[in-house]
Amino acid sequence: EVQLVQSRVEVKKPGESLKISCKGSGFTFTDYWIAWVRQMPGKGLEWMGIIYPGDSDTRYSPAFQGQVTISADKSISTAHLQWSSLKASDTAMYYCARLSSSWYMAGYYYYMDVWGKGTSVTVSS
Amino acid sequence: EIVLTQSPGTLSLSPGARATLSCRASQSVSSSSLAWYQQKPGQAPRLLIYGASSRATGIPDRFSGSGSGTDFTLTISRLEPEDFAVYYCQRYASGVGTFGQGSKVEIK
Repeated sequence: EVQLVQSRVEVKKPGESLKISCKGSGFTFTDYWIAWVRQMPGKGLEWMGIIYPGDSDTRYSPAFQGQVTISADKSISTAHLQWSSLKASDTAMYYCARLSSSWYMAGYYYYMDVWGKGTSVTVSS
Repeated sequence: EIVLTQSPGTLSLSPGARATLSCRASQSVSSSSLAWYQQKPGQAPRLLIYGASSRATGIPDRFSGSGSGTDFTLTISRLEPEDFAVYYCQRYASGVGTFGQGSKVEIK
């Protein structure tokens, strides 16, 4: 079964560091980009960035550049999202998703077809 | 930066009704880069449509997508009880993704 498995719940204090994970299985992890998406409580989806585990090429949304670090360990088919110093405003659900592409005669389609169940991060003193 | 604006914010309809959701881009985008997702409470998003009009695997044919340039539409031909959810359009190009703010389809 193709899936992305995420650590489910994290509760931290402001100023603490955190690294959450997203482990892929059932597909060749190094052949796909993996995206991270934030959803703050009661709000919509926000694109954070993507990583290609094959060579660790990483792209960040301007809103998240410098705020988080995206990394991957291809030896264990796992992508990570980390914070060095959490803030209360980092409280959110964080999803990872596989970015797939398929060829059509004029180019490529891009879409996120496999999603993890999300990691709930709560930052509170 | 391209902004995606969805409308309406909330659509109140009865089961069996037709739902039409709009996604407008602030500038022209390639149809190949436009996707739609469904999200139910407490669940991860699910891919419905990619390439503006292609249904993802396992998606019922009551869901259809259309549009080009700056205007895209997701249509649900006959709402089933399980279709009441929030829908997002999303665009990906050159390493950057953008989501619309979402449209909620609720039971009238």
